[in-house]
Amino acid sequence: GIQVEQSPPDLILQEGANSTLRCNFSDSVNNLQWFHQNPWGQLINLFYIPSGTKQNGRLSATTVATERYSLLYISSSQTTDSGVYFCAVELGANNLFFGTGTRLTVIP
Amino acid sequence: KAGVTQTPRYLIKTRGQQVTLSCSPISGHRSVSWYQQTPGQGLQFLFEYFSETQRNKGNFPGRFSGRQFSNSRSEMNVSTLELGDSALYLCASSVDSTNEKLFFGSGTQLSVL
Repeated sequence: GIQVEQSPPDLILQEGANSTLRCNFSDSVNNLQWFHQNPWGQLINLFYIPSGTKQNGRLSATTVATERYSLLYISSSQTTDSGVYFCAVELGANNLFFGTGTRLTVIP
Repeated sequence: KAGVTQTPRYLIKTRGQQVTLSCSPISGHRSVSWYQQTPGQGLQFLFEYFSETQRNKGNFPGRFSGRQFSNSRSEMNVSTLELGDSALYLCASSVDSTNEKLFFGSGTQLSVL
């Protein structure tokens, strides 16, 4: 079956620093989404990005579908960015296969 | 616009009991999917409903079932609870069933004792 690997598994940043999270997937996919799960368990959809680049404020994402990877950039990190970041690929109708996540801790 | 609403937020049950969880999608969303999150297995897809029909099912035993009503609200049921069913159960909705952003609820934390 498909494999979705995220790196790094854990990341600790000083407030204001930038970071890049990576998601590698083993097969061609039609859909890739990035999520942030906050410390209270809420999953927030950050990007729906099957290919190309998108930006939303301090966050941006790039997916290179032909090379089977996606990157999430966080600039000028804030303590509220802490949590777990997941990428997920779509196997079927709203059947998302999630990666294992990157746990980000931003310290003041 | 109200988000995805899941009830209850927390639930404690004992082995052998059954449980029903509820999910109200965002208004206008017709697809509802369910996920289980555990520390060991991560986030796993349970099933997806669209217009009251189950379109997709994950690799879970038959003890896990669900349904969707005409107003798009959905319930999932777990019968004969086992300790390993302790998890955060998340519901997500989208406008349609393919290639759409998913919006998740806050989840129901189920503890089986």
